[in-house]
Amino acid sequence: ETGVTQSPTHLIKTRGQQVTLRCSSQSGHNTVSWYQQALGQGPQFIFQYYREEENGRGNFPPRFSGLQFPNYSSELNVNALELDDSALYLCASSLGGSGTAPVNEQFFGPGTRLTVL
Amino acid sequence: AQKITQTQPGMFVQEKEAVTLDCTYDTSDPSYGLFWYKQPSSGEMIFLIYQGSYDQQNATEGRYSLNFQKARKSANLVISASQLGDSAMYFCAMREANSGYSTLTFGKGTMLLVSP
Repeated sequence: ETGVTQSPTHLIKTRGQQVTLRCSSQSGHNTVSWYQQALGQGPQFIFQYYREEENGRGNFPPRFSGLQFPNYSSELNVNALELDDSALYLCASSLGGSGTAPVNEQFFGPGTRLTVL
Repeated sequence: AQKITQTQPGMFVQEKEAVTLDCTYDTSDPSYGLFWYKQPSSGEMIFLIYQGSYDQQNATEGRYSLNFQKARKSANLVISASQLGDSAMYFCAMREANSGYSTLTFGKGTMLLVSP
C-alpha cells in the first residue's frame, strides 16, 4: 500500500449535480496530482497542487476545481456533472512539484469510481 | 500527437514464460523519465520500474526490466517468469519537467493475461 487514501470508493450522481472527492496524501508529501481515467483509457492529468496552490493544469474545463489543505490533503470538485465525467478518479502524492527524478515519484491512491447517470 | 503509444491492446502469456510489452514515446525535452505501472482490477496504479533519460544502463527491478532504446524512443517492459498474479493492465508513462511542475502522461495500456 502507498499510504495514499481516497474517499469515497464509489459514487453515483446524476447529470447536473456536483461532487467532491477527497484524497489524503502520503506522510511527508506536499504535492497532490489528480487524474481522470475513463473506461479503457490511460489516466489523464487534471491538475496538480503544490503547497496549497494549483501549479499545473491539464485540458479540463473550469468546472473541475480543487483545493489543497495545510495538511496537504486535497479535494477535487466537479460541478454540473456530465455523463462523460463517469470515470475512475485517481490522486497521486509526491514530494516536490517539479523535476523528473525518482524523488518526484508519484504514489497513487486506490481511486474513486464515479458514475454519472 | 500521442506522447505515449502502446500498440498492444492485449497480450497472452503462459505462466513461467517471459513477455515484452511495447511502449514508444515522443518528446523534444532532453530530460524525461519513463515509468511502467501495473493496474489490477482494483484500480490502484502500482509503480513497477523507472528509467531516466540520462541513465546509461537499462533499469531492472526483480522480474521486471526495461529495454530502453533512446534513439528509437522506445521503452519496452520485459517481465520474466510470468506469474498468474501478473494478469493486469500495464501502463507506460512519461514525465517531462514542465515549467514549475511535473506530470505523468500515460499510454492507453496493455491488458496482460497469464494462463496456467
